[in-house]
Amino acid sequence: SAVISQKPSRDICQRGTSLTIQCQVDSQVTMMFWYRQQPGQSLTLIATANQGSEATYESGFVIDKFPISRPNLTFSTLTVSNMSPEDSSIYLCSVVFRGGIDEQFFGPGTRLTVL
Amino acid sequence: AQSVAQPEDQVNVAEGNPLTVKCTYSVSGNPYLFWYVQYPNRGLQFLLKYITGDNLVKGSYGFEAEFNKSQTSFHLKKPSALVSDSALYFCAVRDGRKLVFGTGTRLLVSP
Repeated sequence: SAVISQKPSRDICQRGTSLTIQCQVDSQVTMMFWYRQQPGQSLTLIATANQGSEATYESGFVIDKFPISRPNLTFSTLTVSNMSPEDSSIYLCSVVFRGGIDEQFFGPGTRLTVL
Repeated sequence: AQSVAQPEDQVNVAEGNPLTVKCTYSVSGNPYLFWYVQYPNRGLQFLLKYITGDNLVKGSYGFEAEFNKSQTSFHLKKPSALVSDSALYFCAVRDGRKLVFGTGTRLLVSP
């Protein structure tokens, strides 16, 4: 079965710094997404990563804070910029595989702690 | 907007007993419904989905879900719970291209 990997798996960062999270898939996908899961909470969609164009952001999320790149079909990055403790969350990428219909498959997540 | 609700924060069940994790939905049009499970320190795993067809959907690890249009429900079930089923379960609905998740239900299966 296909593998979705994320780097780093976890990190502890100082406020005011930025962290870039990578998502790599070993099969071609049609869609890639980035979600946030705050401590003890459900998942919230940050944005849809569009290949070769600007990501589509959900209400409450902006490109300056969460810049996203997707240079090809199988790779995307999410940057959390100018971090504050409120950004401490698990960040997950998800994909819809080529040939798939509706279900999204998730990476293992990146656990971010901001001090 | 599409939404789902999970009325129970936690469900406790003894190993070997049947389990039910509840989910209700609110959608315009036909619902596309999903169940995911999250084990500690791991990402979400897809369990099953309902798009159309039979109201009883079978998924991974012996789980199934029953779609009930009149009650707008999509409850997750398993005939005989295992201790290893203890995890966080999320119901979700498709809204456009994205998934909207419920608040999650923690399932604890005791030996």
